Amino acid sequence: AAGVIQSPRHLIKEKRETATLKCYPIPRHDTVYWYQQGPGQDPQFLISFYEKMQSDKGSIPDRFSAQQFSDYHSELNMSSLELGDSALYFCASSLFYGYTFGSGTRLTVV
Amino acid sequence: AQKVTQAQTEISVVEKEDVTLDCVYETRDTTYYLFWYKQPPSGELVFLIRRNSFDEQNEISGRYSWNFQKSTSSFNFTITASQVVDSAVYFCALSDIGNRDDKIIFGKGTRLHILP
Repeated sequence: AAGVIQSPRHLIKEKRETATLKCYPIPRHDTVYWYQQGPGQDPQFLISFYEKMQSDKGSIPDRFSAQQFSDYHSELNMSSLELGDSALYFCASSLFYGYTFGSGTRLTVV
Repeated sequence: AQKVTQAQTEISVVEKEDVTLDCVYETRDTTYYLFWYKQPPSGELVFLIRRNSFDEQNEISGRYSWNFQKSTSSFNFTITASQVVDSAVYFCALSDIGNRDDKIIFGKGTRLHILP
């Protein structure tokens, strides 16, 4: 069965650089979520999209933005990266509360 | 407001022992889903179970069992005859059922060490 695909799996960036994370949800899933998990922390909700419209927002820094495209894939853009942005970023998609998480993108800011 | 509390930050048990991970939740909604996820050292979130708030039946899946008690807002997870491969961080999570885009919120997690 198809799963949620995230790319890249690993990303190393320098401070003040920009990063773009991509998420390809399960076909026909209507909602995409982004989560950030810092070292030793629980996943924290960042933002979600329902049918390509932003539907909810969590503690997402102003330096971050996200969008969902016509083909339903989503991108999380992070600018002016800081050391504290180093984390595992998960994307999840859902249909009727059947959530599926991707394997995550591990971002390291040096 | 929604909240999930996992009071046990870290647990260590010897292999073959039984272990219970506690989870207490808060929500104002009457309909919701509860989840357990496993996060091994590799980092992915492995789905274990989803329980609807209408269904208070306990569930058993192999060595895993879950006890859902609405009266105490608890959804505890027991591993019977633990194995080293069970070592991981376990997250309890909650999602309200109201809108199709309701998000999952996680507890802080319990790090489980199974000692050989």
